[in-house]
Amino acid sequence: DAGITQSPRHKVTETGTPVTLRCHQTENHRYMYWYRQDPGHGLRLIHYSYGVKDTDKGEVSDGYSVSRSKTEDFLLTLESATSSQTSVYFCAISESPRPKAHEQYFGPGTRLTVT
Amino acid sequence: GQNIDQPTEMTATEGAIVQINCTYQTSGFNGLFWYQQHAGEAPTFLSYNVLDGLEEKGRFSSFLSRSKGYSYLLLKELQMKDSASYLCAVFTGTASKLTFGTGTRLQVTL
Repeated sequence: DAGITQSPRHKVTETGTPVTLRCHQTENHRYMYWYRQDPGHGLRLIHYSYGVKDTDKGEVSDGYSVSRSKTEDFLLTLESATSSQTSVYFCAISESPRPKAHEQYFGPGTRLTVT
Repeated sequence: GQNIDQPTEMTATEGAIVQINCTYQTSGFNGLFWYQQHAGEAPTFLSYNVLDGLEEKGRFSSFLSRSKGYSYLLLKELQMKDSASYLCAVFTGTASKLTFGTGTRLQVTL
């Protein structure tokens, strides 16, 4: 299994509070991704990174920011959490953008509840 | 935009064969992935198709027709442990971004 960890694994927070989720990899993969998974929507890309300090938005980026200061860490921040951000968040990594070489490996997920 | 459709739920019997279909309308298509996801767990990679035809890997096979925007995942000799969600995802070739369908929840019964 690819070495990906996420922390925390579970979190309950109140509306309006800031929250940071961490993804850590030991594979030295260049690409890292944050997804959220909700019933009826599947996995949706929030933000991704194609290198240290290089990030871009996905399809559901509003209300989220990311940072990547080291190859191994990709942080997702909810500046002011809302109930609509209650979800399961998955981090993923891939080695390359080239087809076949870049299966995305997923972390175990973080279940976030905003009350 | 991207649109990926797959059935929401399917049920099949242990030992049988099941086919899970996926249709897509995307721009910049560069391959199609299938992932398996057990309840409460992370998705895991099953297969990848970039050319038309069938890719076989043990009990699992995946088929792609690019002209029809269609793929299927075939599971043979079903086992109870195959009860999971199966996610179809299209690779658009831009920074390795995948667009996922909503997934098909497969229940295997005795």
